[in-house]
Amino acid sequence: QLQLQESGPGLVKPSETLSLTCTVSGDSISSTTHYWGWVRRPPGKGLQWIANIYYSGATYYNPSLKSRVTISVDTSKNQVSLKLRSVTAADTADYYCTRVKFWGQYMDVWGRGTTVAVSS
Amino acid sequence: QSVLTQPPSASGTPGQRVTISCSGSSSNIGSTTVHWYRQLPGTAPKLLIYANDQRPSGVPDRFSGSKSGTSASLAISGLQSEDEADYYCAAWDGSLNGVVFGGGTKLTVL
Repeated sequence: QLQLQESGPGLVKPSETLSLTCTVSGDSISSTTHYWGWVRRPPGKGLQWIANIYYSGATYYNPSLKSRVTISVDTSKNQVSLKLRSVTAADTADYYCTRVKFWGQYMDVWGRGTTVAVSS
Repeated sequence: QSVLTQPPSASGTPGQRVTISCSGSSSNIGSTTVHWYRQLPGTAPKLLIYANDQRPSGVPDRFSGSKSGTSASLAISGLQSEDEADYYCAAWDGSLNGVVFGGGTKLTVL
């Protein structure tokens, strides 16, 4: 059964780097039919797409976050990682790992999510 | 300000049919397929409709999607109390080279 499990610190200080990892079980990160990605939902707001990555390393980033975000894959560990630099309170959100269909770029599987608060 | 425009709220009574609209432009809905997600309170979003009108396995046929030009709609028939959730449309935007979401519609079952 396919599962996506997010992990990372629940609290990050302003100006620091938020680092999250998604461990995939039940499917291979090297799948040719899917990308992998991250979506977040700040409290009281809607969903915001962050980035997608293909196993080969091809990436797509949200233009509004691109200067601060890096997404990467570790095929040996079957993991997808997200780094968001210079965080502020506006980056406080629930972060979701997603499997993304190659054709159509829709998220067909979601992780349960992890809550990250940015506060000193 | 979301790239795709949805009404912030919608409501209906049990058994009723409700529709949620999603408006975009030629760079997103007008040139690619639309997808819908549902987020129940306290849970992760879930794919509800993909490629305009396709239902993933396990999604009841009470849910249907359509697209015309630069707009799309999600219809829910036989409304149930457990349908109370936030609904989001999404599409690929060729100008932004990324995924764009609607602002979300909070559905209330009266």
